[in-house]
Amino acid sequence: SQKIEQNSEALNIQEGKTATLTCNYTNYSPAYLQWYRQDPGRGPVFLLLIRENEKEKRKERLKVTFDTTLKQSLFHITASQPADSATYLCALVGEDMRFGAGTRLTVKP
Amino acid sequence: DSGVTQTPKHLITATGQRVTLRCSPRSGDLSVYWYQQSLDQGLQFLIQYYNGEERAKGNILERFSAQQFPDLHSELNLSSLELGDSALYFCASSAYGTGGTGELFFGEGSRLTVL
Repeated sequence: SQKIEQNSEALNIQEGKTATLTCNYTNYSPAYLQWYRQDPGRGPVFLLLIRENEKEKRKERLKVTFDTTLKQSLFHITASQPADSATYLCALVGEDMRFGAGTRLTVKP
Repeated sequence: DSGVTQTPKHLITATGQRVTLRCSPRSGDLSVYWYQQSLDQGLQFLIQYYNGEERAKGNILERFSAQQFPDLHSELNLSSLELGDSALYFCASSAYGTGGTGELFFGEGSRLTVL
């Protein structure tokens, strides 16, 4: 069956460091992959999209990589700030759109 | 503000009851998705509509049903409610099919509490 795994439930890092979150998937051939940010009690907010034929995408302090051979995406936040603390979700877009369980990132000052 | 409106924001009801959640998508978006998020759980895909037609179905229980109307708003009906149905229900809309990239715009959710 199709599976999306974000292999860290929670990640704690120090302000200024780079946060790296992982999204792995099996039995799925997504056309593209998206990352969202969700704050407690709020709806997710779209951050970045990367297509299957793209290796890397950047937006300000965010960077996403997509390896269709490894079936893995990495999401990086450089120079992290306490305001980056949130849950980050990956989503695979194929015939429908399914989300991973998310990684809760806490950036400590 | 995502442009997606969900009502009601909060709803408290009893087991065995039926409720209807409403979603108005962003102007111009033809796709509507429904997701369920229980406490400390991820987003569970329920169902997707595109321009009034069911496009994809996820883990939606038989007690739940949905539809998208000609004006593109959508309703999610939950019946014979159980305690385990307590959750945050999100609606999201997308321009998918009209040249958009498929990114979803989420509403603020309807928090359902079943007592």
